[in-house]
This record gives sequence, structure tokens and C-alpha cells, in this order.
Amino acid sequence: EDKVVQSPLSLVVHEGDTVTLNCSYEVTNFRSLLWYKQEKKAPTFLFMLTSSGIEKKSGRLSSILDKKELFSILNITATQTGDSAVYLCAVDGLNNAGNMLTFGGGTRLMVKP
Amino acid sequence: DGGITQSPKYLFRKEGQNVTLSCEQNLNHDAMYWYRQDPGQGLRLIYYSQIVNDFQKGDIAEGYSVSREKKESFPLTVTSAQKNPTAFYLCASSPNRGRDTQYFGPGTRLTVL
Repeated sequence: EDKVVQSPLSLVVHEGDTVTLNCSYEVTNFRSLLWYKQEKKAPTFLFMLTSSGIEKKSGRLSSILDKKELFSILNITATQTGDSAVYLCAVDGLNNAGNMLTFGGGTRLMVKP
Repeated sequence: DGGITQSPKYLFRKEGQNVTLSCEQNLNHDAMYWYRQDPGQGLRLIYYSQIVNDFQKGDIAEGYSVSREKKESFPLTVTSAQKNPTAFYLCASSPNRGRDTQYFGPGTRLTVL
């Protein structure tokens, strides 16, 4: 059974702090790892990672994948109150039927002014 | 055990047939959602329902239909009008009429032959 575990479950920081969110996984046939930001309705796609060691960056957010150790981290620098959300990690695995997404439980980030 | 269940995990159908995907939750959540995920893409919202007997179209509702006759259940019908139905379908629910974190089911992989 594929499994994705995120840590910490929740995090409270102050504006300007840097945070690191963790995602570890066990997947039979790994295709990619995806990070989402969830605020109200549909989660917003952040990154898709397929290769180890290559950092993906978008503004103050960055993410990297380690396929040997089976984990990914999402970094947010100079946090702002608008970064408050649940951050979801999902792994796209492939089996004979096609691709399947397995989600972690999420990390709830609260950024205080 | 509380949670969201989707059945079946894998579904194969012939082209031109309607098919209904099940989503049930016993978390007493008000809101429920259906998403579609294709390889290499983020989640796309098909339909959502914030309360019983009410539902709204998401971004890609064409070719799909839903019902919300009971709080616990939000079945999705993929009709023959859906041009590219083969995909991974995720159901989610959230408390407080959708103003809170969404919890995802395990998903159904639909393959149309």
C-alpha cells in the first residue's frame, strides 16, 4: 500500500521566519511528487518534482526531492500572513491500471503578524 | 473508523457507457468535492456541494453529473458525453461548508476502453 507522511502536523511562526515542511513516501512505482497549497476550495498546485537533487523555485517557495531517501521538503522563506494554509504533499505512482495519487495528511501553517 | 471511502479503486468501462463513482464519508462534513487528476497535472475541480441537496459546477463539469441526496454521499456519474474520461478521480470532504481543510479519499482510477 502506497503511503505519504507529512510533518509537522501544524506549525505556527511569525512573519519573516523561514519554514521547512517535510514529506516522506513509500510508493511502488514512483512517477512524481506534487506539492499543493490549500486555502479554501481547490488546492493550488505549487510544484511537481520528478528528479532527485534539482531544486524547483517559485518566489519565496522552493522544493527539492531525494529519491534515494524517499522524501521531499518544501521551504518558505520570509514568510507572510498570506502563506497561512494547509500544505499538501502527494505522490503520483503508476501501476498496471494507470496513475494514482496518494496524499499525505497535510501540514497546517499559521503565520502570525 | 471515520473517513472517506471511494469505491471501487479501479474501474474499467467500455466507451459510450455511463459509470458512477461512489464517495461516502462518515465525518459529518458539510461540504464534498470531486476532482480529476491527469498524469503530470494538478487537481481540477469537477463539482462541489456545500450542503445537502445543493451542488455547484467546478472548472470542468461538462460530461459529469452529481447528486447530494444525503450528507454522507456524493456520487459522481461520468457520462458518455465526457470526451476523455480515463483519469484518476479524487473525492474530498470538509467541515464548515467548505471553509476548512479538505480530507481526501483514496481515489478511483477509471479506464475507458
